[in-house]
Amino acid sequence: RKEVEQDPGPFNVPEGATVAFNCTYSNSASQSFFWYRQDCRKEPKLLMSVYSSGNEDGRFTAQLNRASQYISLLIRDSKLSDSATYLCVVNTGFQKLVFGTGTRLLVSP
Amino acid sequence: NAGVTQTPKFRVLKTGQSMTLLCAQDMNHEYMYWYRQDPGMGLRLIHYSVGEGTTAKGEVPDGYNVSRLKKQNFLLGLESAAPSQTSVYFCASSLGRRGGQPQYFGPGTRLTVL
Repeated sequence: RKEVEQDPGPFNVPEGATVAFNCTYSNSASQSFFWYRQDCRKEPKLLMSVYSSGNEDGRFTAQLNRASQYISLLIRDSKLSDSATYLCVVNTGFQKLVFGTGTRLLVSP
Repeated sequence: NAGVTQTPKFRVLKTGQSMTLLCAQDMNHEYMYWYRQDPGMGLRLIHYSVGEGTTAKGEVPDGYNVSRLKKQNFLLGLESAAPSQTSVYFCASSLGRRGGQPQYFGPGTRLTVL
């Protein structure tokens, strides 16, 4: 089983739609969780950290479910500029991050 | 504040040639990392460093060497390039003082080995 698993997509949604991605992780001792965004042929960029209580940043909401070992990302009111690959990232200790292979989102007019 | 920078941006090598990729960060981060990214495989850790003068192996270290002589720089060397090392290489850094710090990435180096 992979340490971090994501549905590769693509998720095709119209502008203004709400879309959600889930990500599961296998190591119950994982300490920290992040969502990164990666545009085609660019570097991954930190989108948001994921806290136990859940957190929101504008149109983006991240949730953590430790009991079921998954994290989620919800994007409301999708914009064309949200089209990208979203990477689920888990810290398993020792300052090493494990990256999922990403979920591709395509937002169309 | 440039963040994390990488040189070169692109490079084409012939099998057996050597080269060094340079990563520099101006955020005073303790930890630095080298990853490779291949289609369908996500980011894989090659080597990392938890401070000046220290290095450690990651998930896929074979064929690569690293050095961290200065806190702000992390070098990745390929002694004898092979076609299997064709990839996009990303450097990253993080504060590293306590657990759970995110990493910040450079723009990447696209390497082709013929």
